[in-house]
Amino acid sequence: AQSVAQPEDQVNVAEGNPLTVKCTYSVSGNPYLFWYVQYPNRGLQFLLKYITGDNLVKGSYGFEAEFNKSQTSFHLKKPSALVSDSALYFCAVRDERGNKLTFGTGTQLKVEL
Amino acid sequence: DVKVTQSSRYLVKRTGEKVFLECVQDMDHENMFWYRQDPGLGLRLIYFSYDVKMKEKGDIPEGYSVSREKKERFSLILESASTNQTSMYLCASRHDTSGRSSYNEQFFGPGTRLTVL
Repeated sequence: AQSVAQPEDQVNVAEGNPLTVKCTYSVSGNPYLFWYVQYPNRGLQFLLKYITGDNLVKGSYGFEAEFNKSQTSFHLKKPSALVSDSALYFCAVRDERGNKLTFGTGTQLKVEL
Repeated sequence: DVKVTQSSRYLVKRTGEKVFLECVQDMDHENMFWYRQDPGLGLRLIYFSYDVKMKEKGDIPEGYSVSREKKERFSLILESASTNQTSMYLCASRHDTSGRSSYNEQFFGPGTRLTVL
């Protein structure tokens, strides 16, 4: 069975500082990995995905994520956080042969002035 | 612009009522999904459909059923609502270019917050 772990319920960062939101995964085959963001009272918005190729993936709003196969991780990063980045972030994984996407429990990001 | 709409943002129902949650997508996507979102549990898949009149159970199908009579519409049905079905319900759709397996991202609706009293 596939699974995703987001070990931090909340991450606090000062505006202008770099941010990292952690994600580790478990699948039986090659993974397809995704990050989504949810703003208050809204649905999820796609940020970026890793399918194959370059381990550093760039996405929307200046976010990027690094795929590390040996550590089975896909951490979300941004060089300089903005207050408007405050939201709930979800990591998700799907096995390349599967059809179901498994989500983590989410990490609340809070960026303060 | 891609759009997934859900019939209600907020819904309050009583225990035992039959509840219909509607989802419509305008992107001609083959796949559609229903999730529920609960604090500390993330998103859990209830049902999905990869074609008209086709459906498959997700991880937590008990107490729910679905209907997909048209490609653009996917309905979630609570046959007899219970208080433990109070939750945020999210619909999503996805374009599938290669059969049932795809690396495309899902597009989500705004969600329906259902309260069962």
